[in-house]
Amino acid sequence: DAGVIQSPRHEVTEMGQEVTLRCKPISGHNSLFWYRQTMMRGLELLIYFNNNVPIDDSGMPEDRFSAKMPNASFSTLKIQPSEPRDSAVYFCASSLVMGTGLYEQYFGPGTRLTVT
Amino acid sequence: TQLLEQSPQFLSIQEGENLTVYCNSSSVFSSLQWYRQEPGEGPVLLVTVVTGGEVKKLKRLTFQFGDARKDSSLHITAAQPGDTGLYLCAGVSRSGGGADGLTFGKGTHLIIQP
Repeated sequence: DAGVIQSPRHEVTEMGQEVTLRCKPISGHNSLFWYRQTMMRGLELLIYFNNNVPIDDSGMPEDRFSAKMPNASFSTLKIQPSEPRDSAVYFCASSLVMGTGLYEQYFGPGTRLTVT
Repeated sequence: TQLLEQSPQFLSIQEGENLTVYCNSSSVFSSLQWYRQEPGEGPVLLVTVVTGGEVKKLKRLTFQFGDARKDSSLHITAAQPGDTGLYLCAGVSRSGGGADGLTFGKGTHLIIQP
């Protein structure tokens, strides 16, 4: 199993540019999560999808952030326009969520974003 | 917003020593998970505890869920350099059905020196 795949692994961009982060979840998983990690704030949930439908986007910082999941095998997180304070490591995770409420999240390797 | 406070934030000890890290909240969680994260990688699940008072062992690691399901601890016996990493606790709020994103603590940065 390839695990959760994220691309790119590193992204350096200038303030004001559009950034698109990509995620391929583990095949067969029905839920996908986007997180952001910084030293100051730790790991924060941005948005999650269940069966390709966004369930909770209350963690999305502002309108500059948007996420899509057009099918079960692909998701994007877009920042437009990017700002230096968006610099962080962005993680995608996927899970197979059953009715018990117990599930393991499998994390990708992350995308390290630097906005100058 | 449910918060998880982890302590200590940083811990550096010698190989062979024992240690305990803590995860505390004022909220009740239906279950709690512990993850370990190594540099340049995503977190990896170590264990899930569900029942108040539950104790789980994973080799030299012992995890305990508080009776009230508001706190948890991780005890490592005879720490080894391979235990070095960021240890994160994460709470699950929903008790059944659907998915909730996990609420993570900020983690304990653990360094085991040879």
